[in-house]
Amino acid sequence: EAGVAQSPRYKIIEKRQSVAFWCNPISGHATLYWYQQILGQGPKLLIQFQNNGVVDDSQLPKDRFSAERLKGVDSTLKIQPAKLEDSAVYLCASRRSSSYEQYFGPGTRLTVT
Amino acid sequence: AQRVTQPEKLLSVFKGAPVELKCNYSYSGSPELFWYVQYSRQRLQLLLRHISRESIKGFTADLNKGETSFHLKKPFAQEEDSAMYYCALSGAPGTYKYIFGTGTRLKVLA
Repeated sequence: EAGVAQSPRYKIIEKRQSVAFWCNPISGHATLYWYQQILGQGPKLLIQFQNNGVVDDSQLPKDRFSAERLKGVDSTLKIQPAKLEDSAVYLCASRRSSSYEQYFGPGTRLTVT
Repeated sequence: AQRVTQPEKLLSVFKGAPVELKCNYSYSGSPELFWYVQYSRQRLQLLLRHISRESIKGFTADLNKGETSFHLKKPFAQEEDSAMYYCALSGAPGTYKYIFGTGTRLKVLA
């Protein structure tokens, strides 16, 4: 089966600009996660979707971050406006409802200058 | 508060030597614990889940609730084991919302 796809793989923007990341999960995976991984740290969960509904967004900085998962498949994570501290790798993961295993995408490396 | 601690950022061992990657956790209930691994230029992938008690690629990990630890062990390290290892905790049953540790980079020297 095809893995989790993410695009773009790399993005460089200036602070105060906007950016969007896209994720296509594995077909049939109802649960989708977005993580932020800052250099030297482990991934931190930003938001979890079950189909097209939000299960947990308690760690999403909602003043600047937003995410959606229309039709319960692809998802988009947006940052507007970006800050220097948003420089990180943004990971998308998906999971089948009957399983505990998360499958991760390759990530998008964001650099904010 | 829920927390996962991996005290070593880097662990270097010689090929054939035993390996132990440490993981301690803080959680008030009964957690599920996992080890994920990221090889160079590859995606993060599941290595072990404590409930399954399997041995994957020669690695094992035992949950010690008394010491709140879930250390990853392998009796004889191989060069291909060189990678970044993350310990993860899932608290609320069935949600599989992971809290990751900061990771340990394992380097196996020839």
